[in-house]
Amino acid sequence: DAGVTQSPTHLIKTRGQQVTLRCSPKSGHDTVSWYQQALGQGPQFIFQYYEEEERQRGNFPDRFSGHQFPNYSSELNVNALLLGDSALYLCASSLVGEETQYFGPGTRLLVL
Amino acid sequence: AQSVTQLGSHVSVSEGALVLLRCNYSSSVPPYLFWYVQYPNQGLQLLLKYTSAATLVKGINGFEAEFKKSETSFHLTKPSAHMSDAAEYFCAVSDYGGSQGNLIFGKGTKLSVKP
Repeated sequence: DAGVTQSPTHLIKTRGQQVTLRCSPKSGHDTVSWYQQALGQGPQFIFQYYEEEERQRGNFPDRFSGHQFPNYSSELNVNALLLGDSALYLCASSLVGEETQYFGPGTRLLVL
Repeated sequence: AQSVTQLGSHVSVSEGALVLLRCNYSSSVPPYLFWYVQYPNQGLQLLLKYTSAATLVKGINGFEAEFKKSETSFHLTKPSAHMSDAAEYFCAVSDYGGSQGNLIFGKGTKLSVKP
Protein backbone atom coordinates (compact mmCIF):
# COMPACT_ATOMS: atom_id res chain seq x y z
CA ASP A 1 0.00 0.00 0.00
CA ALA A 2 1.72 3.15 -1.22
CA GLY A 3 1.81 6.03 1.18
CA VAL A 4 1.73 9.70 0.32
CA THR A 5 4.25 10.58 -2.36
CA GLN A 6 5.57 14.00 -3.36
CA SER A 7 7.66 15.30 -6.21
CA PRO A 8 10.20 16.64 -6.66
CA THR A 9 12.18 16.01 -3.48
CA HIS A 10 14.29 19.15 -3.84
CA LEU A 11 13.95 22.28 -5.92
CA ILE A 12 15.97 25.45 -6.37
CA LYS A 13 14.35 28.55 -7.83
CA THR A 14 15.14 32.25 -8.03
CA ARG A 15 13.06 35.15 -6.75
CA GLY A 16 10.10 35.99 -8.98
CA GLN A 17 9.85 32.56 -10.53
CA GLN A 18 6.90 30.20 -10.26
CA VAL A 19 6.94 26.65 -8.90
CA THR A 20 4.61 23.64 -8.98
CA LEU A 21 4.79 20.88 -6.41
CA ARG A 22 2.94 17.58 -6.75
CA CYS A 23 1.34 15.15 -4.35
CA SER A 24 -0.27 11.73 -4.68
CA PRO A 25 -2.41 10.76 -1.69
CA LYS A 26 -2.37 7.46 0.15
CA SER A 27 -4.44 4.84 -1.61
CA GLY A 28 -8.13 5.27 -0.78
CA HIS A 29 -7.79 8.84 0.50
CA ASP A 30 -9.79 11.66 -1.03
CA THR A 31 -8.63 14.77 0.83
CA VAL A 32 -5.29 16.52 0.44
CA SER A 33 -3.86 19.23 2.67
CA TRP A 34 -0.70 21.27 2.15
CA TYR A 35 1.59 22.63 4.85
CA GLN A 36 4.66 24.86 4.83
CA GLN A 37 7.42 24.12 7.34
CA ALA A 38 10.05 26.81 7.66
CA LEU A 39 13.40 25.89 9.16
CA GLY A 40 13.11 25.31 12.90
CA GLN A 41 9.32 25.74 12.93
CA GLY A 42 6.27 23.55 13.03
CA PRO A 43 4.24 23.04 9.85
CA GLN A 44 1.71 25.74 8.97
CA PHE A 45 -1.51 24.95 7.13
CA ILE A 46 -1.80 26.38 3.61
CA PHE A 47 -5.03 24.86 2.25
CA GLN A 48 -7.06 21.70 1.91
CA TYR A 49 -8.71 20.17 -1.17
CA TYR A 50 -11.67 17.84 -1.32
CA GLU A 51 -13.76 16.92 -4.36
CA GLU A 52 -11.48 19.10 -6.49
CA GLU A 53 -12.37 22.22 -4.52
CA GLU A 54 -10.47 24.26 -1.96
CA ARG A 55 -12.35 23.62 1.25
CA GLN A 56 -10.23 25.44 3.84
CA ARG A 57 -7.43 27.95 3.61
CA GLY A 58 -4.84 29.17 6.08
CA ASN A 59 -3.26 32.58 6.31
CA PHE A 60 -1.31 32.50 3.06
CA PRO A 61 -1.42 35.05 0.21
CA ASP A 62 -3.07 34.44 -3.14
CA ARG A 63 0.34 33.69 -4.62
CA PHE A 64 -0.27 30.24 -3.20
CA SER A 65 -2.82 28.29 -5.20
CA GLY A 66 -3.67 24.68 -5.70
CA HIS A 67 -5.57 22.11 -7.63
CA GLN A 68 -6.95 18.66 -7.07
CA PHE A 69 -7.47 16.24 -9.91
CA PRO A 70 -10.20 13.59 -10.35
CA ASN A 71 -7.75 10.90 -9.18
CA TYR A 72 -7.35 12.91 -5.92
CA SER A 73 -3.75 13.92 -6.60
CA SER A 74 -2.95 17.55 -6.02
CA GLU A 75 -0.64 20.39 -7.02
CA LEU A 76 0.58 23.38 -5.09
CA ASN A 77 1.56 26.41 -7.14
CA VAL A 78 3.48 29.38 -5.84
CA ASN A 79 3.88 32.48 -8.00
CA ALA A 80 6.32 35.37 -7.70
CA LEU A 81 8.58 33.48 -5.33
CA LEU A 82 10.12 35.31 -2.40
CA LEU A 83 13.18 34.36 -0.38
CA GLY A 84 10.83 33.71 2.53
CA ASP A 85 9.09 30.96 0.58
CA SER A 86 12.11 28.74 1.15
CA ALA A 87 10.78 25.85 3.24
CA LEU A 88 9.81 22.21 3.34
CA TYR A 89 6.38 21.77 1.75
CA LEU A 90 4.43 18.86 3.15
CA CYS A 91 1.41 17.19 1.67
CA ALA A 92 -0.97 15.21 3.86
CA SER A 93 -3.84 13.00 2.83
CA SER A 94 -6.90 11.79 4.70
CA LEU A 95 -10.26 10.18 4.14
CA VAL A 96 -13.40 12.27 4.56
CA GLY A 97 -14.93 11.63 7.99
CA GLU A 98 -11.65 10.50 9.53
CA GLU A 99 -9.40 12.71 11.60
CA THR A 100 -5.93 11.35 10.86
CA GLN A 101 -3.73 12.99 8.25
CA TYR A 102 -0.83 11.05 6.76
CA PHE A 103 2.16 13.02 5.58
CA GLY A 104 4.46 12.63 2.63
CA PRO A 105 8.23 13.13 2.76
CA GLY A 106 7.97 16.71 1.58
CA THR A 107 9.53 18.88 -1.10
CA ARG A 108 12.36 21.13 0.01
CA LEU A 109 12.23 24.43 -1.87
CA LEU A 110 15.13 26.85 -1.85
CA VAL A 111 14.58 30.33 -3.30
CA LEU A 112 17.74 32.26 -4.17
CA ALA B 1 -8.95 29.76 18.24
CA GLN B 2 -7.01 26.59 18.81
CA SER B 3 -3.31 26.68 19.68
CA VAL B 4 -0.53 24.42 20.92
CA THR B 5 2.45 25.21 23.12
CA GLN B 6 5.37 22.84 23.42
CA LEU B 7 7.54 23.57 26.43
CA GLY B 8 11.21 23.13 25.70
CA SER B 9 12.57 23.38 22.19
CA HIS B 10 15.30 20.88 23.03
CA VAL B 11 15.26 17.95 25.47
CA SER B 12 18.26 15.72 26.12
CA VAL B 13 18.06 12.38 27.92
CA SER B 14 20.37 9.43 28.46
CA GLU B 15 19.65 6.12 26.80
CA GLY B 16 17.32 4.14 29.06
CA ALA B 17 15.97 7.22 30.83
CA LEU B 18 12.38 8.46 30.87
CA VAL B 19 11.30 10.66 28.00
CA LEU B 20 8.82 13.44 28.79
CA LEU B 21 7.83 15.94 26.11
CA ARG B 22 5.33 18.57 27.15
CA CYS B 23 2.37 19.88 25.19
CA ASN B 24 -0.37 22.25 26.31
CA TYR B 25 -3.29 23.18 24.11
CA SER B 26 -5.98 25.77 23.87
CA SER B 27 -9.23 24.84 22.21
CA SER B 28 -12.73 26.27 22.15
CA VAL B 29 -14.15 22.88 21.23
CA PRO B 30 -13.41 19.34 22.48
CA PRO B 31 -9.98 18.83 20.99
CA TYR B 32 -8.54 16.15 18.78
CA LEU B 33 -4.83 15.97 19.64
CA PHE B 34 -1.91 14.36 17.85
CA TRP B 35 1.79 13.68 18.28
CA TYR B 36 3.95 13.37 15.19
CA VAL B 37 7.65 12.54 14.90
CA GLN B 38 9.98 13.89 12.23
CA TYR B 39 13.34 12.30 11.55
CA PRO B 40 15.99 14.40 9.77
CA ASN B 41 15.12 15.23 6.18
CA GLN B 42 11.85 13.32 6.35
CA GLY B 43 8.14 14.02 6.60
CA LEU B 44 5.94 13.56 9.66
CA GLN B 45 4.98 10.18 11.06
CA LEU B 46 1.95 9.81 13.34
CA LEU B 47 2.89 8.53 16.80
CA LEU B 48 -0.53 8.62 18.45
CA LYS B 49 -3.81 10.52 18.62
CA TYR B 50 -6.54 11.43 21.10
CA THR B 51 -10.08 11.64 19.77
CA SER B 52 -12.20 11.77 22.96
CA ALA B 53 -12.05 8.06 23.79
CA ALA B 54 -9.59 6.76 26.41
CA THR B 55 -7.56 9.51 28.06
CA LEU B 56 -4.39 7.40 28.07
CA VAL B 57 -3.36 6.81 24.50
CA LYS B 58 -0.76 4.30 23.43
CA GLY B 59 1.18 4.82 20.24
CA ILE B 60 3.93 3.29 18.23
CA ASN B 61 7.52 2.67 19.38
CA GLY B 62 6.52 2.49 23.07
CA PHE B 63 5.25 6.06 23.32
CA GLU B 64 2.09 7.06 25.14
CA ALA B 65 0.32 10.29 26.05
CA GLU B 66 -2.28 11.23 28.62
CA PHE B 67 -5.05 13.73 27.93
CA LYS B 68 -5.71 15.91 31.01
CA LYS B 69 -8.58 18.28 30.43
CA SER B 70 -8.15 20.09 33.75
CA GLU B 71 -4.55 20.92 32.85
CA THR B 72 -5.19 21.31 29.10
CA SER B 73 -2.18 19.05 28.56
CA PHE B 74 -1.25 16.13 26.34
CA HIS B 75 2.30 15.23 27.36
CA LEU B 76 4.19 12.50 25.52
CA THR B 77 6.14 9.89 27.50
CA LYS B 78 8.28 6.82 26.97
CA PRO B 79 9.65 4.84 29.93
CA SER B 80 13.04 4.08 28.41
CA ALA B 81 14.70 6.13 25.67
CA HIS B 82 16.48 4.47 22.79
CA MET B 83 19.07 6.02 20.52
CA SER B 84 16.65 5.65 17.61
CA ASP B 85 14.18 8.00 19.37
CA ALA B 86 16.38 10.98 18.56
CA ALA B 87 14.17 13.15 16.34
CA GLU B 88 11.90 16.18 16.43
CA TYR B 89 8.46 15.77 17.94
CA PHE B 90 5.42 17.88 17.14
CA CYS B 91 2.18 18.18 19.05
CA ALA B 92 -0.86 19.25 17.03
CA VAL B 93 -4.52 20.06 17.59
CA SER B 94 -7.25 19.80 15.00
CA ASP B 95 -8.54 23.25 14.16
CA TYR B 96 -12.23 22.40 14.32
CA GLY B 97 -12.02 19.80 17.04
CA GLY B 98 -12.93 16.99 14.73
CA SER B 99 -12.31 15.33 11.45
CA GLN B 100 -11.35 17.29 8.38
CA GLY B 101 -10.03 20.20 10.37
CA ASN B 102 -6.59 21.42 9.51
CA LEU B 103 -3.85 20.75 12.03
CA ILE B 104 -2.30 23.45 14.17
CA PHE B 105 1.21 22.48 15.21
CA GLY B 106 3.46 23.48 18.03
CA LYS B 107 7.00 24.63 17.29
CA GLY B 108 8.41 21.22 18.02
CA THR B 109 10.77 19.66 20.57
CA LYS B 110 14.04 18.19 19.43
CA LEU B 111 14.92 15.08 21.43
CA SER B 112 18.56 14.09 21.81
CA VAL B 113 19.51 10.73 23.33
CA LYS B 114 22.97 10.34 24.86
CA PRO B 115 24.64 6.93 24.99
